Amino acid sequence: EVQLVESGGGLVQPGGSLRLSCAASGFTFSFYWMHWVRQVPGKGLVWVSRINSDGSSINYADSVKGRFTISRDNAKNTLYLQMNSLRAEDTAVYYCAREGEVWALDYWGQGSLVTVSS
Amino acid sequence: DIQMTQSPSSLSASVGDRVTITCRASQGISNYLAWYQQKPGKVPKLLIYAASTLQSGVPSRFSGSGSGTDFTLTINSLQPEDVATYYCQKYNSAPLTFGGGTKVEI
Repeated sequence: EVQLVESGGGLVQPGGSLRLSCAASGFTFSFYWMHWVRQVPGKGLVWVSRINSDGSSINYADSVKGRFTISRDNAKNTLYLQMNSLRAEDTAVYYCAREGEVWALDYWGQGSLVTVSS
Repeated sequence: DIQMTQSPSSLSASVGDRVTITCRASQGISNYLAWYQQKPGKVPKLLIYAASTLQSGVPSRFSGSGSGTDFTLTINSLQPEDVATYYCQKYNSAPLTFGGGTKVEI
């Protein structure tokens, strides 16, 4: 069974940093592109970033470019999102998601809440 | 960047009704379009990919159509368990933009 489990969320002050992790199991993690998607509670889905299977190709939404860094450790079956210079508008539930063979996001984690507030 | 516009933003229908949601891309995206369902308090779920292909396990009352810039998600015979917000997403290239969502109520 495919499982994606996020961790690392919490309360952080504006300007602070946080690293999210997404532990993957039930599939060959190193074969798949992975994504981060966020959602302000009660609002819509917003795509954040993606990384290809070996980490050599990365894309970001303009809203996080230069502040967030996506990475992966295929030996540990783990996806990361390093978030720096956090702003109040970064407050959201962050989901990791697998890009399946059909290129759409076929499995999602349960989400990790990040709250940026003083 | 390509923008994805969904309409309506919300709708109310009766059990058994046929429901149609539209998604428009600001530029052509061929058929690189997915639909997701997010029930209240739950994680998004992939319903349809490649504009019209049903993901495994998704009930056949759901269907998708379209290509280029205009796409449609149809729910034939709406069921109580279909209460959710539905999102389209383009995935031909980054950024993989989502539409604003359509909330479906009974």
